[in-house]
Amino acid sequence: AQTVTQSQPEMSVQEAETVTLSCTYDTSESNYYLFWYKQPPSRQMILVIRQEAYKQQNATENRFSVNFQKAAKSFSLKISDSQLGDTAMYFCAFMNNNAGNMLTFGGGTRLMVKP
Amino acid sequence: EAQVTQNPRYLITVTGKKLTVTCSQNMNHEYMSWYRQDPGLGLRQIYYSMNVEVTDKGDVPEGYKVSRKEKRNFPLILESPSPNQTSLYFCATSVPSGRTDTQYFGPGTRLTVL
Repeated sequence: AQTVTQSQPEMSVQEAETVTLSCTYDTSESNYYLFWYKQPPSRQMILVIRQEAYKQQNATENRFSVNFQKAAKSFSLKISDSQLGDTAMYFCAFMNNNAGNMLTFGGGTRLMVKP
Repeated sequence: EAQVTQNPRYLITVTGKKLTVTCSQNMNHEYMSWYRQDPGLGLRQIYYSMNVEVTDKGDVPEGYKVSRKEKRNFPLILESPSPNQTSLYFCATSVPSGRTDTQYFGPGTRLTVL
């Protein structure tokens, strides 16, 4: 079974600065996907970024980028130029293609962006 | 507009009173699933469906039932709710594995069982 661990329950950052959220996972699979989801106070789950395990290049979406270290089973999210609207819970998630598209989530990191 | 809708959005009920939470999608996705979210545990999968009339258990299926009689709908049924089923529930959809694997989530249903 896969497990996903987010070791930082809460973090804060000043507006316009950069913050990195950590995620580690455990799997014996070689082909999988990793995701970061954002959950603002509205509770909506919003996809931030995804990474295919077979791709060496780190995914980037505007101010959001990942540092994917496959050997270390690490998948951190970097948010640059933090904005007040980035305040949310962030969930790291793992998907194994052989497990019915099931997402395995970490426990989440609550990020507060301070003005 | 591509949408996943859930109803009701909020529900307070009592132990043992059967309830159904509906999920509907207009994206013609084959894959649908239900998750529950509890503090500190992230989201955990309850049931999923790869296509019409094909359903299977996720990580935490006890106390829940599902059905998939048509592609667009995937209701979650609690035959005899108990207080430990108080949670935030999400429906999610995607095309099957091997293609675009991103899952799209509904807005969530906050369920309280007294």
